[in-house]
Amino acid sequence: NAGVTQTPKFQVLKTGQSMTLQCAQDMNHEYMSWYRQDPGMGLRLIHYSVGAGITDQGEVPNGYNVSRSTTEDFPLRLLSAAPSQTSVYFCASSYSTTNAYEQYFGPGTRLTVT
Amino acid sequence: AQSVTQPDIHITVSEGASLELRCNYSYGATPYLFWYVQSPGQGLQLLLKYFSGDTLVQGIKGFEAEFKRSQSSFNLRKPSVHWSDAAEYFCAVKKIQFYFGTGTSLTVIP
Repeated sequence: NAGVTQTPKFQVLKTGQSMTLQCAQDMNHEYMSWYRQDPGMGLRLIHYSVGAGITDQGEVPNGYNVSRSTTEDFPLRLLSAAPSQTSVYFCASSYSTTNAYEQYFGPGTRLTVT
Repeated sequence: AQSVTQPDIHITVSEGASLELRCNYSYGATPYLFWYVQSPGQGLQLLLKYFSGDTLVQGIKGFEAEFKRSQSSFNLRKPSVHWSDAAEYFCAVKKIQFYFGTGTSLTVIP
């Protein structure tokens, strides 16, 4: 299994540009999520999904869209990039939303918005 | 609302010394609790988790954590720290979503 994969690893955008961060998992996990990590802020949940076709907002959803058309993929779209979205983005997945199934994390995407 | 507090932003210990990283949570029911470690430039790796039963749980790399309901705490411990343990450590609580603390950065000095 490849686990959780994210592309690209690094990205530089200009203010106002849009882009999609890709996330895929091959573990047939039900739950997938996106976080952003900023210094001193820990990981903040952007959006999450409890299954194909179902998504919901997390703590910091503004400026981001998601969709979950398949179990495997959970892309994150930046609609109009802003410097405040400069961050490291992590995708994670978990077998189930119930019980103590842990999350598995991707390697991250480092995004800079100029 | 659920929340996780890691009161120590940064800790420095000598190699071979013992370590305790603090974690307090706010949650209305019996929580599922996790500790993750993040090495520089890497994603997060699970160290251990608690969901029920024995309140002292063992994890990978020689780490353990103790769940204390009366103190709403889930502190991470290691008896003897190695230089390779230098990393960022995150405590997390799960309902449906996972809620993470702000992390504790560990420096290990020779």
